[in-house]
Amino acid sequence: AQSVTQLDSHVSVSEGTPVLLRCNYSSSYSPSLFWYVQHPNKGLQLLLKYTSAATLVKGINGFEAEFKKSETSFHLTKPSAHMSDAAEYFCVVSMNYGGSQGNLIFGKGTKLSVKP
Amino acid sequence: NAGVTQTPKFQVLKTGQSMTLQCAQDMNHEYMSWYRQDPGMGLRLIHYSVGAGITDQGEVPNGYNVSRSTTEDFPLRLLSAAPSQTSVYFCASSAHAISPLHFGNGTRLTVT
Repeated sequence: AQSVTQLDSHVSVSEGTPVLLRCNYSSSYSPSLFWYVQHPNKGLQLLLKYTSAATLVKGINGFEAEFKKSETSFHLTKPSAHMSDAAEYFCVVSMNYGGSQGNLIFGKGTKLSVKP
Repeated sequence: NAGVTQTPKFQVLKTGQSMTLQCAQDMNHEYMSWYRQDPGMGLRLIHYSVGAGITDQGEVPNGYNVSRSTTEDFPLRLLSAAPSQTSVYFCASSAHAISPLHFGNGTRLTVT
C-alpha cells in the first residue's frame, strides 16, 4: 500500500537561512513524487516533480528535492528562505503504472513560516 | 489564460439544502477531480473523472455526486448539506494520469 508522511506539520526559519521540509513515502511500485505549494486562499501550485529520471530535481523559486530510494525520502530544500516562501507545502506520491488521479496520495502538509 | 475556474468562491448553506459547485477548465485536460481540504487532513479525493462520461469515487464520496458530460466541466453536487461538509473544496485537472495537477482557487463552503 502507498502512503506519504510529512514529518513536520510546521517549520519556522529566518529569512536567508536554509529550508528543509521532510517527506517519506512508501510505495510498492516505482513512484512519481511531487511537491506542491499553497499560498493563503489559493489553490495548490506545482513546485517540482520526480518521475524516475534524475534523482535531484530542480523546481521553481529556487526549490529542489532529492529522491533517495534507499531512504524512501523526497525532502524539499532551498538554500536561502525568502519571506514570500511562507506557505503550506504538500508532498504527493503517485503510482507509476498508468493509474488515474485516484492513485494520488497527499501528505498532510507542512506549514512554513519565515521570520524577518 | 484561465486554467481551472471554480465558482462560487464562498457559499453558506443551511443543513439539508442542496447546491452545485462549478468547475471548468480550458486546457482540454482529460483528467479532473474534486478534493476537500480540512485543517490537518491534507487534501482528500472526493470524486474524479478520466474523461467525458466516466467518473469514479475517491476516498470520501458520501454525500456528493458528480457527472462529466463535457471535457471542460466537472460539477460537484451536494445532495443534502451537512455541517460535516463544511470545508474548502478544490477542483483540479491534468492532461494525463500522472501529470501535474492544475488547481482552481477553491470554494469555501460553510454549512450551518
